[in-house]
Amino acid sequence: GIQVEQSPPDLILQEGANSTLRCNFSDSVNNLQWFHQNPWGQLINLFYIPSGTKQNGRLSATTVATERYSLLYISSSQTTDSGVYFCAVERGSSNTGKLIFGQGTTLQVKP
Amino acid sequence: EPEVTQTPSHQVTQMGQEVILRCVPISNHLYFYWYRQILGQKVEFLVSFYNNEISEKSEIFDDQFSVERPDGSNFTLKIRSTKLEDSAMYFCASSRTGYTEAFFGQGTRLTVV
Repeated sequence: GIQVEQSPPDLILQEGANSTLRCNFSDSVNNLQWFHQNPWGQLINLFYIPSGTKQNGRLSATTVATERYSLLYISSSQTTDSGVYFCAVERGSSNTGKLIFGQGTTLQVKP
Repeated sequence: EPEVTQTPSHQVTQMGQEVILRCVPISNHLYFYWYRQILGQKVEFLVSFYNNEISEKSEIFDDQFSVERPDGSNFTLKIRSTKLEDSAMYFCASSRTGYTEAFFGQGTRLTVV
């Protein structure tokens, strides 16, 4: 099956710093989503981005489908950005909606 | 904004008991899913459901699990005889099609004792 690898596994930042999270995947995809899991365990949708670039406030994401990776940029980080960031993909030959999640990047933003 | 809602938020059950986790997907969505996350681990796919039947299931989704859409709004996951290793956060999700954005509920934390 398709492999999803996220890096780095852990990241500690000072408030105000910028960061880049990476998601590599091993096959073509027709769906790629970024999620933030908050301290209460909720999965918050950040981006639906099977290709291209999107921005939402201090967050932006880029997926280069031909090279099988996606990047999530966090600028001017805040303590509320802390949590686990997951990348999830659906392989291109699937139409069942099954998402395969990466292991996540745990972000801690210190005041 | 439409959202996926799950009940209960927490459930504690004794080993061997049956549990039913409930979900109300977003109303115009046609694809429904269950995922689980064991504490500290990644989110794992259990099952996808479309047109009143399972479209794909994982190896985790064995005979003790079943899903049902009993009416036009609810989507349920039943675990027939719970085991200690079933303790996890269970997420319901829905999407309009099989490759569009999926939205997740807030989760049900199941603890089997």
